[in-house]
Amino acid sequence: AQSVAQPEDQVNVAEGNPLTVKCTYSVSGNPYLFWYVQYPNRGLQFLLKYITGDNLVKGSYGFEAEFNKSQTSFHLKKPSALVSDSALYFCAVRDTNDYKLSFGAGTTVTVRA
Amino acid sequence: DTAVSQTPKYLVTQMGNDKSIKCEQNLGHDTMYWYKQDSKKFLKIMFSYNNKELIINETVPNRFSPKSPDKAHLNLHINSLELGDSAVYFCASSPIGGGTREQYFGPGTRLTVT
Repeated sequence: AQSVAQPEDQVNVAEGNPLTVKCTYSVSGNPYLFWYVQYPNRGLQFLLKYITGDNLVKGSYGFEAEFNKSQTSFHLKKPSALVSDSALYFCAVRDTNDYKLSFGAGTTVTVRA
Repeated sequence: DTAVSQTPKYLVTQMGNDKSIKCEQNLGHDTMYWYKQDSKKFLKIMFSYNNKELIINETVPNRFSPKSPDKAHLNLHINSLELGDSAVYFCASSPIGGGTREQYFGPGTRLTVT
């Protein structure tokens, strides 16, 4: 079985400050981890993924995420948030032996000017 | 060029009706998916087809029936619509089922059952 937890429903930060969105996962095998962003009334857009190799992965729009196997975490980060980063962020996991992609409940990010 | 498109974008209908949502992808992907996003934004997989073969069939009412006429199209037909079917339905595609590749999502179809 596989699952994802996003412990924060909402994250509020000031523009220019660092942004972190937390994600922890559970899989029986090895994880493939993904972050997606959803802007209002839009579909999900892929941001970045971890498959193997370097634990720090970089993605679109200046986002990065760090894979931590011992803590089973894959937190999304941005050094300096923009108002335009305000959106709903989803973490997702797929076990290497599974077709399905399991999504977390989502975290709403609000960046204030 | 729209990679994954869905029609209609909005669908308002009454309980008991039958409706269909269409999805098309022009990415040349082999695998397509239907997701349901409820009012709390939870995203749940419903079905997946790989090259016209059903590979994921989650526990959904049998009033929901997917159909894939070819690998570029995946339609969702819903019979006897109920109030609880109101949600946003997303189509997605990926080069293969499972694996390391990300999924590409359509813009969604907002279904409202009255």
